Amino acid sequence: DIQMTQSPSSLSASVGDRVTITCRASQSVSSYLNWYQQKPGKAPKVLIYAASSLQSGVPSRFSGSGSGTDFTLTISSLQPEDFATYLCQQSYSMPLTFGGGTKVEIK
Amino acid sequence: QLQLQESGPGLVKPSETLSLTCTVSGGSISSSSYYWGWIRQPPGKGLEWIGSIYYSGSTYYNPSLKSRVTISVDTSKNLFSLKLDSMTAADTAVFYCVRRVRIGQGTGALDYWGQGTLVTVSS
Repeated sequence: DIQMTQSPSSLSASVGDRVTITCRASQSVSSYLNWYQQKPGKAPKVLIYAASSLQSGVPSRFSGSGSGTDFTLTISSLQPEDFATYLCQQSYSMPLTFGGGTKVEIK
Repeated sequence: QLQLQESGPGLVKPSETLSLTCTVSGGSISSSSYYWGWIRQPPGKGLEWIGSIYYSGSTYYNPSLKSRVTISVDTSKNLFSLKLDSMTAADTAVFYCVRRVRIGQGTGALDYWGQGTLVTVSS
């Protein structure tokens, strides 16, 4: 299985801050990397697919980059509704695997 | 708007079989562009891919669960189902049904999720 490692596991930030979350794969996943946002008690919601494509309806302050083994999710200006846990997921090979998550908390 | 809705028992006894159903509305499960799958999340823990099915009936199961899992599809009722045998306390989790993009841009992304259903294993 491909292992996905996210860092940091948590961070504190203020509204308006630029936030960067990283995801590293144990082997190349090309650009088959997706990012999700999960709020407490809710299902994850896809934000970014294919490493850098913004899912329809997702605000443009979210962006993704990277390929191979190293990927980044950036929130350009953190909004109150963005406090949540962010997860990466590789879809390069089966079984699909997820990162452990990065919890973004209010400073 | 596509919707997925899980249904099934919230409590299962140890050694019993869990049976969950995911009803798809607002779209056809027989689309060639998607797979349909199950994911679980133990309380406070990460997400685990259980397996998926294509409308034709072809399946993929996570090797870690393969010996205990069966996923089936009923295209006439627009639903798919999960059976997980020999449940233990370690299987306590929120179970989600999902749609996975099969072809085109976004292949492999999980673009629609059910709300999730908590299944507790306890006697």
